[in-house]
Amino acid sequence: EVQLEQSGAEVKKPGESVKISCKGSGYTFSGRWIAWVRQTPEKGLEYIGIIYPGDLELKYSPSFEGQVTISADKSVSTAYLQFSRLTASDTGIYYCARGADKFDFWGPGTLVTVSS
Amino acid sequence: DIVMTQSPATLSVSPGERATLSCGASRDIGHNLVWYQQRSGQPPRLLIYGASTRAAGIPARFSGSGSGTDFTLTIDGLQSEDFAVYFCQHYNNWPPRHTFGQGTKLEIK
Repeated sequence: EVQLEQSGAEVKKPGESVKISCKGSGYTFSGRWIAWVRQTPEKGLEYIGIIYPGDLELKYSPSFEGQVTISADKSVSTAYLQFSRLTASDTGIYYCARGADKFDFWGPGTLVTVSS
Repeated sequence: DIVMTQSPATLSVSPGERATLSCGASRDIGHNLVWYQQRSGQPPRLLIYGASTRAAGIPARFSGSGSGTDFTLTIDGLQSEDFAVYFCQHYNNWPPRHTFGQGTKLEIK
């Protein structure tokens, strides 16, 4: 059974950093793209970027390039999304999802709250 | 960037009836269109890709149609578990660009 397990909720202050994780199981993690998607009430679903764990090829949405870092470690079947300096507007639910065009499996989401 | 526009924002339909949801693209996207269902408190669930192909395990009452700039998701014989929010998504193969619509909330009439 394909599963994407995400790390737990985070509460951070503006200016702090956070790194959330997404561990895949039930399939060959290195052979399928992993995407990150944010959901907020204000902007809905937003595509952040995508990584291929096999060779670490990645691509960011222009809206997020320079704001986040996506990485992966195929040895532990895990992808990561990192913010170095959070702002209140980064508050939202962050999902990882499998796929490069259609996202066929999604993680349960990680709620990140940024508040002073 | 391509803008995806869904209508209506909220759709009220009785159980057992048909629901028709629309998604428009700001320019021609061919068949590069995906539909997701999101129930409260859950992540999105893939329903339809390539505008009209049902994903694995999706009931036949869900169907997608359209190409270019106008797309439709039809749900026949609505069941209680179908009342949820539905999103459309455009994808570009390479470089990967994905744009979501703002969603249509399907509620019980």
